[in-house]
Amino acid sequence: DGGITQSPKYLFRKEGQNVTLSCEQNLNHDAMYWYRQDPGQGLRLIYYSQIVNDFQKGDIAEGYSVSREKKESFPLTVTSAQKNPTAFYLCASSIVRQPNQPQHFGDGTRLSIL
Amino acid sequence: AQKVTQAQTEISVVEKEDVTLDCVYETRDTTYYLFWYKQPPSGELVFLIRRNSFDEQNEISGRYSWNFQKSTSSFNFTITASQVVDSAVYFCALSEANTGNQFYFGTGTSLTVIP
Repeated sequence: DGGITQSPKYLFRKEGQNVTLSCEQNLNHDAMYWYRQDPGQGLRLIYYSQIVNDFQKGDIAEGYSVSREKKESFPLTVTSAQKNPTAFYLCASSIVRQPNQPQHFGDGTRLSIL
Repeated sequence: AQKVTQAQTEISVVEKEDVTLDCVYETRDTTYYLFWYKQPPSGELVFLIRRNSFDEQNEISGRYSWNFQKSTSSFNFTITASQVVDSAVYFCALSEANTGNQFYFGTGTSLTVIP
């Protein structure tokens, strides 16, 4: 069954700690994305990657980092520089990064501060 | 300025009622795409439909229908005979051909269907 797997479902971060959110897809999609969702707001783009070993900043990249060493994987690290990390994080992928391609989403990771 | 506006923050309907979710968009591109997604309590966004700017035909899929009107820059979504399983947050999104392929999401409409 093809899809996007995000783990963990819930994550807690201590002050000054970096945490990494996992995103794996078996859809053979070239493009992958990370979004942040806050209550009452739409999705905001953090980073995206169009191809392995390449990624670009989105609208709110400060305090976050990513890597794309494999086509299937696009992990997101929330660094200690991100002062307000509590949010719901969604990973998505699409066949390619084209405007007509729908993005397909994982079921998210909820990050909270301890 | 907000490119996608979903003015209805929350809607409650009684089961079997029809409900329309509004979406108004703003773009200067002549080529663009509109999407609707459903986010159930589990959190995953589920893709429902895509329309391109050159196709204003309305679409029906079972109890779901979409009304695309370029004259009013709207892409509204109607659920007929609503069911409890329709309870979710629904997002409208816009993607433009000439602005880097970014998706612009509305703030979502939370629909509650009361049994």
